Amino acid sequence: DAKTTQPNSMESNEEEPVHLPCNHSTISGTDYIHWYRQLPSQGPEYVIHGLTSNVNNRMASLAIAEDRKSSTLILHRATLRDAAVYYCINSGNTPLVFGKGTRLSVIA
Amino acid sequence: ETGVTQTPRHLVMGMTNKKSLKCEQHLGHNAMYWYKQSAKKPLELMFVYNFKEQTENNSVPSRFSPECPNSSHLFLHLHTLQPEDSALYLCASSQDGHYGYTFGSGTRLTVV
Repeated sequence: DAKTTQPNSMESNEEEPVHLPCNHSTISGTDYIHWYRQLPSQGPEYVIHGLTSNVNNRMASLAIAEDRKSSTLILHRATLRDAAVYYCINSGNTPLVFGKGTRLSVIA
Repeated sequence: ETGVTQTPRHLVMGMTNKKSLKCEQHLGHNAMYWYKQSAKKPLELMFVYNFKEQTENNSVPSRFSPECPNSSHLFLHLHTLQPEDSALYLCASSQDGHYGYTFGSGTRLTVV
């Protein structure tokens, strides 16, 4: 079973920042926090991952709470191409287990 | 292209047919996976291969038979499937099972 909790859906206006939350209250000390997204008619794609510190890459930023029980994926300027299902996953050395994710809609 | 190629993209098969799904990765990864994604359901992990050895089988029915002849190729052999097996079958690869899974675009399977 997925060990994370995410809102079923969120909506954003184009060109605005989006904050996608994830709760993982049972995360173990060695589990990484992974984010993937799945665009329509495609397989999931890696977005970002982190352990304790906040992380930035060209796609997004990951803000991790100090107690590691929650995290937030930040898309700095949403575009129509960011409309997708976003998955937050905790995993150490075990294969990734996907939950239902958050369906992000972007409005032009 | 993601570096993981799945063929065919679409497949329609009868319940008595035998078919195979193919996955190929050119990323130098040593782990490969099969996932199933049914309509309106989360991805379900089916099989895991590390260094060509199967390390996980998530109670998948025997009508699904995986094969990993080398670290670059993964097959899913299908026989006597049921209509409820219709789904998107996704292949992924990773290095050492850690972050950075790369997925293919999937095979959309319809069993009639």
